[in-house]
Amino acid sequence: NAGVTQTPKFRVLKTGQSMTLLCAQDMNHEYMYWYRQDPGMGLRLIHYSVGEGTTAKGEVPDGYNVSRLKKQNFLLGLESAAPSQTSVYFCASSPPGQYYGYTFGSGTRLTVV
Amino acid sequence: KNEVEQSPQNLTAQEGEFITINCSYSVGISALHWLQQHPGGGIVSLFMLSSGKKKHGRLIATINIQEKHSSLHITASHPRDSAVYICAVRTDKLIFGTGTRLQVFP
Repeated sequence: NAGVTQTPKFRVLKTGQSMTLLCAQDMNHEYMYWYRQDPGMGLRLIHYSVGEGTTAKGEVPDGYNVSRLKKQNFLLGLESAAPSQTSVYFCASSPPGQYYGYTFGSGTRLTVV
Repeated sequence: KNEVEQSPQNLTAQEGEFITINCSYSVGISALHWLQQHPGGGIVSLFMLSSGKKKHGRLIATINIQEKHSSLHITASHPRDSAVYICAVRTDKLIFGTGTRLQVFP
C-alpha cells in the first residue's frame, strides 16, 4: 500500500534551472494537491487538481506549473528556479467531498542556490 | 492575524505526562484535521472531526464549534510521540496552522 509517492526526495538546483517533481497515488483519489512548507509558516497550497486533465491555482502559484495528464499522477514544474523556491514540497490526495481526509507524501526537500 | 492559531508553539514533556495542544480558528469550517509530522518525515493524518470527540489509542481530539476551538490530547506520552502536530481547518480549502513542536524525554 504505497499511498502517495513523491520523487525525488532531495534536490539541489542552481538559480535558473528547471525541474519537475512527480507525485503518484494509487488510491484512485480524484483530488490532488501541491503544498510548500516554509519555516514558521503553515503549509501553503500551490496548485491543485479536482480530476484528470484539470488544474487550478492555489495561494502561491507564481513560478510553478502543474499537469494532471493521468489520474494517478500530478506533476509540479519549476521552469526557472529561484532561491525563494527553496522549500519542502508536499503532495497530497483525497477523495472528493469535504468529509474525507488527506493522504500526504513524504515530501521533497528542494534547495535553490 | 492567522486564521488558524496553535498553542503552544513548542512543548517539552517528560515521558508519561499528559499533553494538550490547542488550536483556535476564526473562520467557518466544515471539518478540522489534526496531523503529525515526524522529523525528516512525511505528514500523517491523525483525526478529522466536525463535532464532539474522537479517540485513537492514547490520542484524543475534541472540538467545540461554537467556541471555534479544538484540542489534541496525548495520554501517557512517550518519546516516540515527539513530532510536530499540525491543526488544519477545512473551508473551501485547507488552512494550516504553523504547528506545535513536541519533544518527550525519557
